[in-house]
Order: sequence, then structure tokens, then C-alpha cells
Amino acid sequence: KAGVTQTPRYLIKTRGQQVTLSCSPISGHRSVSWYQQTPGQGLQFLFEYFSETQRNKGNFPGRFSGRQFSNSRSEMNVSTLELGDSALYLCASSHRTGGGTEAFFGQGTRLTVV
Amino acid sequence: AQKVTQAQTEISVVEKEDVTLDCVYETRDTTYYLFWYKQPPSGELVFLIRRNSFDEQNEISGRYSWNFQKSTSSFNFTITASQVVDSAVYFCALSEVRDDKIIFGKGTRLHILP
Repeated sequence: KAGVTQTPRYLIKTRGQQVTLSCSPISGHRSVSWYQQTPGQGLQFLFEYFSETQRNKGNFPGRFSGRQFSNSRSEMNVSTLELGDSALYLCASSHRTGGGTEAFFGQGTRLTVV
Repeated sequence: AQKVTQAQTEISVVEKEDVTLDCVYETRDTTYYLFWYKQPPSGELVFLIRRNSFDEQNEISGRYSWNFQKSTSSFNFTITASQVVDSAVYFCALSEVRDDKIIFGKGTRLHILP
């Protein structure tokens, strides 16, 4: 069974630009969550999608958005990039939603904003 | 409020020594889940274990063992006879049943020296 696939693995963008990251969950999984990992703040929850609906959102500005497609693949978008958006963005997939569900993570997309 | 504290930022031990990683959590819910994840240099988070709040039985899986004590809100992780391949960042995490997001601790970077 293929794991969670995130593309691209590495990305360098300029301040003010926008970026789209992609996540393909494990086959059969319908829940996709996104996390931001930085040295200072650690791992922080961005949002979760289940069956194309956003179920939960973390405390991030509106520049961070996401969506999920009918095949459960998800994208997250960050507009008007800031230097502080440099981070490892991790995607996790679960077969169902709800607290306590075992989540499987991808290798992440490392975004550098210059 | 939910919170996970991993007081040990970094630990170094010599191979074959036992090492315990501490985790203390805070939650107002009576039903919740606790996790440990391992993050090797490749970046992806590898699921190690999940416990629910009603199951305080300690668990052993090979060289890994977990000690869950609700009375002290702790969920500690011990690696017996450590190996160099155990070197990674380890995260303790909490999820409440009514919420989909996972709250992570800041992580403990473990170095196993040959």
C-alpha cells in the first residue's frame, strides 16, 4: 500500500508570491490534515478535510487555505508569502475523521521563502 | 486547554543504554488519545503508538515500552538497549475525541552514540 505522497518535496519562493502544495493520501483514506512545522513553534495544526469538507481549522491567517477533491487528494495554498512561512508542511491521512484516529504522515514539503 | 509538554529538548546516550522520554499532557476532557511519533531525518512522522484515556495498561513492543499514568498526566516512552537507528526526534501528542486535530509536544531530539 503506497503511503502519503506530498509534492513537491522542496520549494523556494519569493516573499509576496503564492504557493500550492499537494498531498495524495493513502488509498481509501478520506481524511487529510495539514500541519506546519517550524523550529520555533513546532508542529501546528492547519486544517483538516474530510469528504471534500473542511472540518476543522487551526489558528492561522486567511492566507492559508486548502481544499480536497473527490478522490481525497488535497491541496493547500499560501498566498502573499512571508518569510515566516518558511517551514516543513506535513500532510496526514486517516481512514476516518474524529479524535484519536491514527494518522499517517507524508515526508513533507519544505518551503523556503526568500 | 490542551497542552503537551516534553521537557527534554535533547538527549544523548551511548548505544545499548536504556533511555526514557518524558511526556506530560493537559486536557479538560475525560476521553482523549495519546500518541508517540518518531521523526527521522527524512522528515516524515512515523506512528509508534496510540492509547486512549481509559486504557492505562502499559505496553511493550520489542525494545519500546510506554508507561501511561493518568494520576500524573504522563505518558512516558522507554527505549531499551538503544541502537543508533533510534536516533530521531520523538513527539508526544494528544487528541481529544471531539476534535480532529492532534496537539504535539515540542519534541525530544534523541542521539544514540555508537
